[in-house]
Amino acid sequence: GAVVSQHPSWVICKSGTSVKIECRSLDFQATTMFWYRQFPKQSLMLMATSNEGSKATYEQGVEKDKFLINHASLTLSTLTVTSAHPEDSSFYICSARDPLSFGEQFFGPGTRLTVL
Amino acid sequence: AQKVTQAQTEISVVEKEDVTLDCVYETRDTTYYLFWYKQPPSGELVFLIRRNSFDEQNEISGRYSWNFQKSTSSFNFTITASQVVDSAVYFCALSEAIQGAQKLVFGQGTRLTINP
Repeated sequence: GAVVSQHPSWVICKSGTSVKIECRSLDFQATTMFWYRQFPKQSLMLMATSNEGSKATYEQGVEKDKFLINHASLTLSTLTVTSAHPEDSSFYICSARDPLSFGEQFFGPGTRLTVL
Repeated sequence: AQKVTQAQTEISVVEKEDVTLDCVYETRDTTYYLFWYKQPPSGELVFLIRRNSFDEQNEISGRYSWNFQKSTSSFNFTITASQVVDSAVYFCALSEAIQGAQKLVFGQGTRLTINP
């Protein structure tokens, strides 16, 4: 089946620094990728939809200047959390849509971000 | 607006018992997809099933079975003869279109604990 990777799997950073998370589709080309955030014991909430070669579409309430998304190729999307604060600590999960597989989404393993 | 409700926050049963996880959804679309995912403690989402709105046939896969009833907007998931390895958080999700952005709306999740 289709495989999506995320890097890093976990990261700890100081408040005020920026953190970049990569999402890669390993064996298919993904024109669309999605970024979700999951706080402890809560559900996944869609943050933004990332389309290759165009600007990301952010969900209501998500600050686009804080969560920068770049989808520069058909296999890579990056999420950069700028000036991270402790409240940004969360589990970030990406998914990639395979247009050849009924448009199904395949999820990455997630990245656990802890901001001190 | 789309909404998925998993009323059961936590369920705890003894091994070998059968357990049903409820999922009720709301959508105005006539074409939509329903999903179940399993999230073990590692955090990675495991795809279990996808069902489109035109296929109301129930499905069985080993110890897992799903009951889709459009009349009650429900898509319930049953595990028979539960095992300790089934312990996880289970999410029901809904997507509005397979050709479009295919946003996934997740329910709140049900934390299932199978006790030996």
